[in-house]
Amino acid sequence: NAGVMQNPRHLVRRRGQEARLRCSPMKGHSHVYWYRQLPEEGLKFMVYLQKENIIDESGMPKERFSAEFPKEGPSILRIQQVVRGDSAAYFCASSLGKNTEAFFGQGTRLTVV
Amino acid sequence: AQSVTQPDIHITVSEGASLELRCNYSYGATPYLFWYVQSPGQGLQLLLKYFSGDTLVQGIKGFEAEFKRSQSSFNLRKPSVHWSDAAEYFCAVGARDSSYKLIFGSGTRLLVRP
Repeated sequence: NAGVMQNPRHLVRRRGQEARLRCSPMKGHSHVYWYRQLPEEGLKFMVYLQKENIIDESGMPKERFSAEFPKEGPSILRIQQVVRGDSAAYFCASSLGKNTEAFFGQGTRLTVV
Repeated sequence: AQSVTQPDIHITVSEGASLELRCNYSYGATPYLFWYVQSPGQGLQLLLKYFSGDTLVQGIKGFEAEFKRSQSSFNLRKPSVHWSDAAEYFCAVGARDSSYKLIFGSGTRLLVRP
Protein backbone atom coordinates (compact mmCIF):
# COMPACT_ATOMS: atom_id res chain seq x y z
CA ASN A 1 0.00 0.00 0.00
CA ALA A 2 1.69 3.13 -1.22
CA GLY A 3 1.78 6.06 1.15
CA VAL A 4 0.61 9.57 0.42
CA MET A 5 2.10 10.60 -2.89
CA GLN A 6 2.87 14.18 -3.70
CA ASN A 7 4.19 15.57 -6.94
CA PRO A 8 6.21 17.21 -8.02
CA ARG A 9 8.77 16.96 -5.22
CA HIS A 10 10.35 20.23 -6.28
CA LEU A 11 8.74 23.03 -8.23
CA VAL A 12 10.29 26.27 -9.40
CA ARG A 13 8.07 29.08 -10.59
CA ARG A 14 8.70 32.67 -11.60
CA ARG A 15 6.78 35.41 -9.87
CA GLY A 16 3.33 35.75 -11.38
CA GLN A 17 3.07 32.15 -12.61
CA GLU A 18 0.71 29.51 -11.33
CA ALA A 19 1.76 26.58 -9.17
CA ARG A 20 -0.20 23.32 -9.07
CA LEU A 21 0.62 20.82 -6.38
CA ARG A 22 -0.86 17.34 -6.46
CA CYS A 23 -1.59 14.89 -3.70
CA SER A 24 -2.80 11.31 -4.00
CA PRO A 25 -3.99 10.05 -0.63
CA MET A 26 -3.38 6.60 0.70
CA LYS A 27 -5.67 3.95 -0.70
CA GLY A 28 -9.03 4.05 1.01
CA HIS A 29 -8.50 7.49 2.53
CA SER A 30 -11.09 10.11 1.68
CA HIS A 31 -9.89 12.88 3.98
CA VAL A 32 -7.07 15.13 2.79
CA TYR A 33 -5.28 17.97 4.53
CA TRP A 34 -2.79 20.53 3.26
CA TYR A 35 -0.13 22.15 5.41
CA ARG A 36 2.52 24.73 4.61
CA GLN A 37 5.96 24.87 6.17
CA LEU A 38 7.76 28.15 5.81
CA PRO A 39 11.54 28.14 6.29
CA GLU A 40 12.57 27.63 9.91
CA GLU A 41 8.96 27.23 11.01
CA GLY A 42 6.61 24.41 11.87
CA LEU A 43 3.82 23.24 9.63
CA LYS A 44 0.68 25.36 9.49
CA PHE A 45 -2.73 23.98 8.61
CA MET A 46 -4.25 25.30 5.42
CA VAL A 47 -7.28 23.28 4.38
CA TYR A 48 -9.20 20.05 4.99
CA LEU A 49 -11.08 18.39 2.16
CA GLN A 50 -13.23 15.36 1.69
CA LYS A 51 -14.16 14.07 -1.73
CA GLU A 52 -15.63 17.00 -3.66
CA ASN A 53 -16.06 19.08 -0.50
CA ILE A 54 -14.02 21.65 1.36
CA ILE A 55 -14.62 21.02 5.05
CA ASP A 56 -12.37 23.59 6.68
CA GLU A 57 -10.36 26.23 4.85
CA SER A 58 -9.65 28.43 7.84
CA GLY A 59 -5.90 28.33 7.19
CA MET A 60 -6.00 29.25 3.52
CA PRO A 61 -4.88 32.71 2.45
CA LYS A 62 -7.88 34.66 1.23
CA GLU A 63 -6.49 35.32 -2.22
CA ARG A 64 -4.64 33.35 -4.89
CA PHE A 65 -4.90 29.99 -3.10
CA SER A 66 -7.47 27.33 -3.83
CA ALA A 67 -7.81 23.60 -3.24
CA GLU A 68 -9.94 20.84 -4.60
CA PHE A 69 -10.37 17.11 -4.16
CA PRO A 70 -12.44 15.82 -7.06
CA LYS A 71 -14.36 12.59 -7.12
CA GLU A 72 -11.69 11.08 -9.32
CA GLY A 73 -8.02 11.95 -9.20
CA PRO A 74 -5.69 13.63 -6.79
CA SER A 75 -6.24 16.63 -4.58
CA ILE A 76 -4.85 19.82 -6.09
CA LEU A 77 -3.53 22.87 -4.30
CA ARG A 78 -3.36 25.78 -6.70
CA ILE A 79 -1.50 28.99 -6.14
CA GLN A 80 -2.10 31.71 -8.68
CA GLN A 81 0.28 34.59 -9.38
CA VAL A 82 2.93 33.27 -7.04
CA VAL A 83 5.10 35.64 -5.03
CA ARG A 84 8.43 35.08 -3.30
CA GLY A 85 6.67 34.66 0.04
CA ASP A 86 4.91 31.56 -1.29
CA SER A 87 8.25 29.71 -1.30
CA ALA A 88 7.77 26.91 1.20
CA ALA A 89 7.29 23.19 1.58
CA TYR A 90 3.70 22.12 1.09
CA PHE A 91 2.67 18.89 2.78
CA CYS A 92 -0.38 16.83 2.17
CA ALA A 93 -1.78 14.31 4.63
CA SER A 94 -4.62 11.86 4.41
CA SER A 95 -6.69 9.83 6.84
CA LEU A 96 -9.52 7.33 6.95
CA GLY A 97 -11.68 9.56 9.10
CA LYS A 98 -11.80 13.05 10.52
CA ASN A 99 -10.13 12.23 13.83
CA THR A 100 -8.03 9.25 12.84
CA GLU A 101 -4.29 9.24 12.29
CA ALA A 102 -3.13 11.37 9.41
CA PHE A 103 -0.30 10.13 7.21
CA PHE A 104 1.91 12.73 5.60
CA GLY A 105 3.44 12.80 2.15
CA GLN A 106 7.02 13.84 1.40
CA GLY A 107 6.01 17.33 0.48
CA THR A 108 6.45 19.62 -2.51
CA ARG A 109 9.12 22.25 -2.16
CA LEU A 110 8.06 25.34 -4.05
CA THR A 111 10.64 27.95 -4.92
CA VAL A 112 9.52 31.24 -6.44
CA VAL A 113 12.25 33.10 -8.29
CA ALA B 1 -3.81 31.92 21.74
CA GLN B 2 -3.08 28.31 21.02
CA SER B 3 0.60 27.62 20.49
CA VAL B 4 3.33 25.05 20.75
CA THR B 5 6.84 25.94 21.86
CA GLN B 6 9.92 23.87 21.24
CA PRO B 7 12.58 25.94 22.97
CA ASP B 8 15.58 24.11 21.52
CA ILE B 9 16.24 24.81 17.84
CA HIS B 10 19.23 22.45 17.71
CA ILE B 11 20.39 19.68 20.00
CA THR B 12 23.55 17.64 19.61
CA VAL B 13 24.05 14.38 21.50
CA SER B 14 26.57 11.59 21.28
CA GLU B 15 25.48 8.24 19.97
CA GLY B 16 24.37 6.10 22.89
CA ALA B 17 23.55 9.06 25.09
CA SER B 18 20.08 9.79 26.37
CA LEU B 19 17.85 12.39 24.76
CA GLU B 20 15.09 14.70 25.88
CA LEU B 21 13.34 17.12 23.56
CA ARG B 22 11.16 19.72 25.17
CA CYS B 23 7.66 20.73 24.17
CA ASN B 24 5.33 23.16 25.91
CA TYR B 25 1.90 24.08 24.73
CA SER B 26 -0.70 26.72 25.37
CA TYR B 27 -4.24 25.47 24.85
CA GLY B 28 -7.69 26.09 26.30
CA ALA B 29 -8.35 22.48 27.21
CA THR B 30 -6.35 19.28 27.25
CA PRO B 31 -5.55 18.67 23.62
CA TYR B 32 -4.42 15.63 21.75
CA LEU B 33 -0.61 15.64 21.67
CA PHE B 34 1.73 14.31 19.02
CA TRP B 35 5.38 13.95 18.18
CA TYR B 36 6.47 13.64 14.55
CA VAL B 37 9.90 13.07 13.03
CA GLN B 38 11.01 14.44 9.67
CA SER B 39 14.12 13.01 8.07
CA PRO B 40 15.83 15.10 5.37
CA GLY B 41 13.73 15.24 2.23
CA GLN B 42 11.04 13.07 3.77
CA GLY B 43 7.55 13.58 5.03
CA LEU B 44 6.52 13.49 8.64
CA GLN B 45 6.28 10.21 10.47
CA LEU B 46 4.21 9.87 13.62
CA LEU B 47 6.34 8.74 16.58
CA LEU B 48 3.65 8.69 19.23
CA LYS B 49 0.47 10.36 20.40
CA TYR B 50 -1.39 11.04 23.61
CA PHE B 51 -5.15 11.11 23.72
CA SER B 52 -5.98 10.11 27.30
CA GLY B 53 -5.10 7.62 30.03
CA ASP B 54 -1.56 6.78 31.04
CA THR B 55 0.50 9.95 30.82
CA LEU B 56 3.63 8.05 29.76
CA VAL B 57 3.25 7.11 26.12
CA GLN B 58 5.39 4.63 24.25
CA GLY B 59 6.09 5.16 20.59
CA ILE B 60 8.03 3.68 17.74
CA LYS B 61 11.81 3.49 17.47
CA GLY B 62 12.24 3.36 21.25
CA PHE B 63 10.81 6.82 21.90
CA GLU B 64 8.51 7.76 24.76
CA ALA B 65 6.87 10.96 25.91
CA GLU B 66 5.33 12.09 29.15
CA PHE B 67 2.31 14.37 29.39
CA LYS B 68 2.49 16.69 32.40
CA ARG B 69 -0.71 18.67 32.69
CA SER B 70 0.58 20.93 35.47
CA GLN B 71 3.50 22.02 33.30
CA SER B 72 1.66 21.95 29.97
CA SER B 73 4.49 19.87 28.66
CA PHE B 74 4.89 16.79 26.49
CA ASN B 75 8.62 16.06 26.39
CA LEU B 76 10.04 13.37 24.15
CA ARG B 77 12.71 11.01 25.47
CA LYS B 78 14.90 8.20 24.32
CA PRO B 79 17.35 6.38 26.61
CA SER B 80 20.01 5.68 23.98
CA VAL B 81 20.24 7.60 20.72
CA HIS B 82 21.28 5.98 17.46
CA TRP B 83 22.93 7.80 14.55
CA SER B 84 19.81 7.14 12.48
CA ASP B 85 17.78 9.30 14.89
CA ALA B 86 19.35 12.44 13.44
CA ALA B 87 16.36 14.34 12.04
CA GLU B 88 13.98 17.14 12.85
CA TYR B 89 11.36 16.54 15.51
CA PHE B 90 8.04 18.32 15.72
CA CYS B 91 5.64 18.48 18.60
CA ALA B 92 2.00 19.15 17.70
CA VAL B 93 -1.34 19.59 19.40
CA GLY B 94 -4.86 19.16 18.12
CA ALA B 95 -8.33 19.81 19.42
CA ARG B 96 -10.26 16.78 20.52
CA ASP B 97 -13.09 17.43 18.11
CA SER B 98 -10.88 18.47 15.22
CA SER B 99 -7.54 16.78 15.66
CA TYR B 100 -6.88 17.07 11.94
CA LYS B 101 -6.07 20.76 12.45
CA LEU B 102 -2.74 20.32 14.13
CA ILE B 103 -0.70 23.17 15.56
CA PHE B 104 2.98 22.44 15.19
CA GLY B 105 5.99 23.71 17.04
CA SER B 106 8.87 25.10 15.03
CA GLY B 107 10.87 21.92 15.44
CA THR B 108 14.10 20.74 17.05
CA ARG B 109 16.90 19.53 14.84
CA LEU B 110 18.78 16.63 16.38
CA LEU B 111 22.39 16.02 15.46
CA VAL B 112 24.09 12.82 16.61
CA ARG B 113 27.85 12.70 17.19
CA PRO B 114 29.51 9.37 16.39
